[in-house]
Amino acid sequence: QVQLVESGGGVVQPGRSLRLSCAASGFTFSNYGMHWVRQAPGKGLEWVAVISFDGSNKHYVDSVKGRFIISRDYSKNTLYLQMNSLRTEDTAVYHCAKDGSLGEIDYWGQGTLVSVSS
Amino acid sequence: SSELTQDPAVSVALGQTVRITCQGDSLRTYYANWYQQKPGQAPVLVIYGRVNRPSGIPDRFSGSSSGNTASLTITGAQAEDEADYYCSSRDSSGDHRVFGGGTKLTVL
Repeated sequence: QVQLVESGGGVVQPGRSLRLSCAASGFTFSNYGMHWVRQAPGKGLEWVAVISFDGSNKHYVDSVKGRFIISRDYSKNTLYLQMNSLRTEDTAVYHCAKDGSLGEIDYWGQGTLVSVSS
Repeated sequence: SSELTQDPAVSVALGQTVRITCQGDSLRTYYANWYQQKPGQAPVLVIYGRVNRPSGIPDRFSGSSSGNTASLTITGAQAEDEADYYCSSRDSSGDHRVFGGGTKLTVL
């Protein structure tokens, strides 16, 4: 069965960096696009970034463009999100998620909490 | 527009039918997908490609669409259906995903 397990969250000061990881299993990692979606405390879902199955295309929500970088390592079946110049408004649970057959997000990880605070 | 609009809250009596709607210009071009999220849990896909139901999702969940509006219908709502429901689609560029603000469903 599909499993997505995030790690790397924590408390960080504004302006600092953090790298999130997502270990994927139960499917052929190289065949699917992958996403990061976040949810601020008590708020709704916000799509953050996507990377294509082959890593050639990456897209970001405007609020993180130029600060966050999505990447993937096929040898480790792992998705990453490098988060730089963090802001208080980046505080959220960050979910790793997998693309489905029609471009929908079909599986989600439980998420890792990132708290940006001085 | 890249926005998807949902009613913040909807209620339904146990066993009755409820429709949750999602409006947005991108829905004229791209499929709507629907997610159920219970407190402290990751979202679960309940409808994809406008009308398809993933394996394991009860058939009381169905999807439909007309123009710029997509709908999730629960026929015979159960207590366990009480949750937040989010619609999602692509934005006008086709490259980004967008989510609606979510609808909190209460089963009375």
